Amino acid sequence: EDQVTQSPEALRLQEGESSSLNCSYTVSGLRGLFWYRQDPGKGPEFLFTLYSAGEEKEKERLKATLTKKESFLHITAPKPEDSATYLCAVHFPLFNAGGTSYGKLTFGQGTILTVHP
Amino acid sequence: DTEVTQTPKHLVMGMTNKKSLKCEQHMGHRAMYWYKQKAKKPPELMFVYSYEKLSINESVPSRFSPECPNSSLLNLHLHALQPEDSALYLCASSRHSPGQGQDEQYFGPGTRLTVT
Repeated sequence: EDQVTQSPEALRLQEGESSSLNCSYTVSGLRGLFWYRQDPGKGPEFLFTLYSAGEEKEKERLKATLTKKESFLHITAPKPEDSATYLCAVHFPLFNAGGTSYGKLTFGQGTILTVHP
Repeated sequence: DTEVTQTPKHLVMGMTNKKSLKCEQHMGHRAMYWYKQKAKKPPELMFVYSYEKLSINESVPSRFSPECPNSSLLNLHLHALQPEDSALYLCASSRHSPGQGQDEQYFGPGTRLTVT
């Protein structure tokens, strides 16, 4: 069964305390794994796209990595402004029509990150 | 520019009202999406438009009616909603249609809907 699982559900860090968030997935033929940041009451903000095992992307204090079964979002020396919910999403296939494969993004439950000063 | 705009920001409606949510993007993206997000839950896909045609409907009740007037605009018409439909409604767009390949989706700020 295709699914996306994020852990931990919540993570509290002190400013400067590095850590990692996990996203594990099961899908036949990965067509993309996406990381988003969401602040309360706002839309998700795109962070990274990963397509192949071994791929890595970096942006400021964030680094995303991908294996065949999971992805990690590493946060180095976080600051209070990094506090948010981090969502992982995987593209799952839905159906084929006219020789084209259609799919959708399925999100994990998210990790609520709180960084204390 | 990766901006998707949504109006209104907040909407309160009664169960007999008819209202519409609007979404706009000027990035030349060919796919647009409606999602529903309940509190403390991830977004759930409702509809996908690809090249202005409805390509995916995730078994959404008929009281939600999507419309794509042109490649930049997406509407969601609401009628006879239930209190359990109260949620954050998110619009998103992506460069390619889901059938061409999967690339990142850019989300708008959402419309907070309350059904009384």
